[in-house]
Amino acid sequence: GAGVSQSPRYKVAKRGQDVALRCDPISGHVSLFWYQQALGQGPEFLTYFQNEAQLDKSGLPSDRFFAERPEGSVSTLKIQRTQQEDSAVYLCASSSPGQRQETQYFGPGTRLLVL
Amino acid sequence: RKEVEQDPGPFNVPEGATVAFNCTYSNSASQSFFWYRQDCRKEPKLLMSVYSSGNEDGRFTAQLNRASQYISLLIRDSKLSDSATYLCVVLPGGGYNKLIFGAGTRLAVHP
Repeated sequence: GAGVSQSPRYKVAKRGQDVALRCDPISGHVSLFWYQQALGQGPEFLTYFQNEAQLDKSGLPSDRFFAERPEGSVSTLKIQRTQQEDSAVYLCASSSPGQRQETQYFGPGTRLLVL
Repeated sequence: RKEVEQDPGPFNVPEGATVAFNCTYSNSASQSFFWYRQDCRKEPKLLMSVYSSGNEDGRFTAQLNRASQYISLLIRDSKLSDSATYLCVVLPGGGYNKLIFGAGTRLAVHP
């Protein structure tokens, strides 16, 4: 079946531009996570949704980062006024109750480069 | 201090070798532990969970020592296809679902 999909796969932005990254989780998955992975590092948690509710946004690095999941399926991560330090791979993951909560399935990521 | 620490490597080993990776974690209340594998420019994928009793999946063996807050992964009879980054991952307690990743250990298996 279809896995987690993300778009765009690659994004080049000029410093100061706004970007929007999309995640389509596995159908029926209740939980959705966003992670940021800098070069040479492991993924770092940004935010977590259960259905449409954003239950944890403790990892968002600044108020320039905003995430939403209005209908409990597709999610969008928005970064306003991008900075060079925002350059990273943004990974989305989903998981489903009924499985072990911790089995998160990752999408291929969006590779963001801010110039 | 990072919550999950790993030796970044790289570990360069010949085919057929046995290689071991270690990882330490700082939160003693952590509930669950995993090894993920990440190929170059790909997403992380779950390799195996880690249990206190130790667990084995083919050539891969994982161990957890809660007293020392230490996790290990042993790969026997290394294959070229094992070349990847191995991420040590911890699920904290307290009802939080976020995974805490180490920076990863790079493995390169050569002919």
